[in-house]
Amino acid sequence: DAGVTQSPTHLIKTRGQQVTLRCSPKSGHDTVSWYQQALGQGPQFIFQYYEEEERQRGNFPDRFSGHQFPNYSSELNVNALLLGDSALYLCASSAKGWGNTEAFFGQGTRLTVV
Amino acid sequence: LAKTTQPISMDSYEGQEVNITCSHNNIATNDYITWYQQFPSQGPRFIIQGYKTKVTNEVASLFIPADRKSSTLSLPRVSLSDTAVYYCLVGEEGFQKLVFGTGTRLLVSP
Repeated sequence: DAGVTQSPTHLIKTRGQQVTLRCSPKSGHDTVSWYQQALGQGPQFIFQYYEEEERQRGNFPDRFSGHQFPNYSSELNVNALLLGDSALYLCASSAKGWGNTEAFFGQGTRLTVV
Repeated sequence: LAKTTQPISMDSYEGQEVNITCSHNNIATNDYITWYQQFPSQGPRFIIQGYKTKVTNEVASLFIPADRKSSTLSLPRVSLSDTAVYYCLVGEEGFQKLVFGTGTRLLVSP
């Protein structure tokens, strides 16, 4: 059983460009959340998708957007990249409605903006 | 979500028991306490969750006093591979938005 998979693992972009990160949730999970983790900091919640809709959002600008597909996989899009967007982007999946708060994280995508 | 406070770092030696305490003075009645472990360049990994008293699994124990304003993660007989950052989180059961602090950086030495 594959866990949460993210692609790509590493990415280098130039300021002003756009980037798309992808996530496949753990089998049986229907909820996907995205987190940004700067060096030396804890992960910060970006948003969560369930039933193909954004359900919760953290304190991130509209440059950060996402999508969830019918197979529960998800994309994170970041427009007009800034140097400060350089971070490890983590995807977490979970099953909504179980009362189960255990979220499974992927290995992350390391984004470097130059 | 209740804010948590935990030590920035801790040092230990192989074979010792490590206890990491987390303060959550504003914990709500419906809140659970969850601990995650994170190795460098990896996503966090769920360790244990509890509501009150004591919870134990194959990896750790979680001690929660009656007032629930703090909790202690206990790692028995740590090894070098337990060197990681440990996060304490508080939120309602089923909560999906995880609020991480800066965590406790545990260093286990030979």
